[in-house]
Amino acid sequence: DAGVIQSPRHEVTEMGQEVTLRCKPISGHDYLFWYRQTMMRGLELLIYFNNNVPIDDSGMPEDRFSAKMPNASFSTLKIQPSEPRDSAVYFCASSWVGPPNTGELFFGEGSRLTVL
Amino acid sequence: GESVGLHLPTLSVQEGDNSIINCAYSNSASDYFIWYKQESGKGPQFIIDIRSNMDKRQGQRVTVLLNKTVKHLSLQIAATQPGDSAVYFCAPKEARNSGYSTLTFGKGTMLLVSP
Repeated sequence: DAGVIQSPRHEVTEMGQEVTLRCKPISGHDYLFWYRQTMMRGLELLIYFNNNVPIDDSGMPEDRFSAKMPNASFSTLKIQPSEPRDSAVYFCASSWVGPPNTGELFFGEGSRLTVL
Repeated sequence: GESVGLHLPTLSVQEGDNSIINCAYSNSASDYFIWYKQESGKGPQFIIDIRSNMDKRQGQRVTVLLNKTVKHLSLQIAATQPGDSAVYFCAPKEARNSGYSTLTFGKGTMLLVSP
């Protein structure tokens, strides 16, 4: 199993530019999560999807952030326009619900974003 | 344990020692807890979990203790090895209005193991 795949692994961009982060969840997982990790705030949940439908986006910081899941094997997190305070590591995770699984999240390797 | 300050709590141990990482949680309704390990440059990985109807669970070299009375968890690592150096998160599972429960992470605790 390839696990959760994220791209790009590293992104350096200038303030004002659009950034698109991509995620391929584990096949068969019905839930997909986007997290952001910073030293100041730790690991924060931004949004999660169930069967490609956004369920809870209350963690999305502001309108500059948007996430889509057009099909079961692909999701994007977009920041437009980007700002230096968006610099962080963004993680995608997937999971499935139902016995025997108890909701464990499987994380990707993360996308490290630096906005200059 | 977990911290709301600017600096990551750090535990430094010698190889071969036992390590204890502590975690306090706030929601008394949390019924399930997972410990994750995050190595440098990687995503968090599952270590062990425990349900609220248990107070102890053991894995390979790891033991998790749960004290619901004081809302406290600990992760004990026996015979700590350099490969155990990482950031450790306890993640309580909390129910949301959507009906699905999600994991709540803090900043974590860094474990540094010296050879």
